[in-house]
Amino acid sequence: AQKVTQAQTEISVVEKEDVTLDCVYETRDTTYYLFWYKQPPSGELVFLIRRNSFDEQNEISGRYSWNFQKSTSSFNFTITASQVVDSAVYFCALRNGGTSYGKLTFGQGTILTVHP
Amino acid sequence: EAGVTQFPSHSVIEKGQTVTLRCDPISGHDNLYWYRRVMGKEIKFLLHFVKESKQDESGMPNNRFLAERTGGTYSTLKVQPAELEDSGVYFCASSPLGNRNTEAFFGQGTRLTVV
Repeated sequence: AQKVTQAQTEISVVEKEDVTLDCVYETRDTTYYLFWYKQPPSGELVFLIRRNSFDEQNEISGRYSWNFQKSTSSFNFTITASQVVDSAVYFCALRNGGTSYGKLTFGQGTILTVHP
Repeated sequence: EAGVTQFPSHSVIEKGQTVTLRCDPISGHDNLYWYRRVMGKEIKFLLHFVKESKQDESGMPNNRFLAERTGGTYSTLKVQPAELEDSGVYFCASSPLGNRNTEAFFGQGTRLTVV
């Protein structure tokens, strides 16, 4: 069985602060994929990143960066110099390599509020 | 290119009534998924279509839920009769067939409230 835990239910920061969203996962598979999705107020889930289990290289995309550590089963997401537009619900998700292409196991989500 | 479209965006119905949710996937995407998020909890998988066939329906909560995808294009999810615990946001997602290394594209969800 697989599980994704996002321990932070809500985070509130002031604009320009850095913020890290935590994600811890559990799986017995050796091949798996990790994802982050953003849900803005408009409701849709917006894909942010996908990492496979064999690639532990950290990734940076603009103000976003991701830290994947298999040793601690974590896939944390950092927003640098946060902006009001970053306010959203963020979901971490896991897909095992052997399952159907889109069957994801999600965490509970972290509500991020960035105040001006 | 149009994204995944869900209709309606909101629905409020009384307990015991029937509701049908619709999902139009991205054109050409043979994989179609339904997920549900109950208030404040994680988003949970309901089922997966490959074209018109149900590939995996292990997440369907009970037989009050019926999903169809006639013709392999749009899909409907019917709840009959609706119960209070069915309230939540229902998401649909789609992805192309034959490529494991891709993400699923999600719609904006349908917020269902059963009163």
